[in-house]
Amino acid sequence: GAVVSQHPSRVICKSGTSVKIECRSLDFQATTMFWYRQFPKQSLMLMATSNEGSKATYEQGVEKDKFLINHASLTLSTLTVTSAHPEDSSFYICSARQPGFRSGGYTFGSGTRLTVV
Amino acid sequence: SQELEQSPQSLIVQEGKNLTINCTSSKTLYGLYWYKQKYGEGLIFLMMLQKGGEEKSHEKITAKLDEKKQQSSLHITASQPSHAGIYLCGAVMVGNTGKLIFGQGTTLQVKP
Repeated sequence: GAVVSQHPSRVICKSGTSVKIECRSLDFQATTMFWYRQFPKQSLMLMATSNEGSKATYEQGVEKDKFLINHASLTLSTLTVTSAHPEDSSFYICSARQPGFRSGGYTFGSGTRLTVV
Repeated sequence: SQELEQSPQSLIVQEGKNLTINCTSSKTLYGLYWYKQKYGEGLIFLMMLQKGGEEKSHEKITAKLDEKKQQSSLHITASQPSHAGIYLCGAVMVGNTGKLIFGQGTTLQVKP
């Protein structure tokens, strides 16, 4: 149990376009999901906390108008990178929180590599 | 400032040698997590520690959390090439409403 599916795994887009990344909890309901960003040879940086049915909470320095997060159901959170630019190229990974599971309550998706050209 | 300090940032060891990675928090931890990752791939959950003084082992990897719940170490015994990767400590801090934040990561290379 406790599987999180993230899609797409890789995406290449043109500068100025928007890209949507989906994060689904397949076999449990996730009231809270987290979105992270990872640059090469760096750690995961928390971008925002996504709560079902309410507005996301963004970390300091993260532009909420650029990184739109929607958590409309208990199994789906989406991250939309709007007007993407090359500096937005990165590895994005989501996590769903479900206390009590063997993984300690945090299950991660397999990540999305975004390349903006 | 970094709330979770992980060291060393990189490590190169000879196969068969032991190694230790440290993770220190400026605040009391609710829970401490260790993950392994290859860059560009998902995280592999290794262990979670919640109680002060707790120690857990899995195969050749042992993780400990100090009594004050502010410092953890990950120890690998008799390292193998399969242990190579990025090791990440993650933590939920008391009062942080469940947010899991990460240290800087440690890149481990094991030379055959």
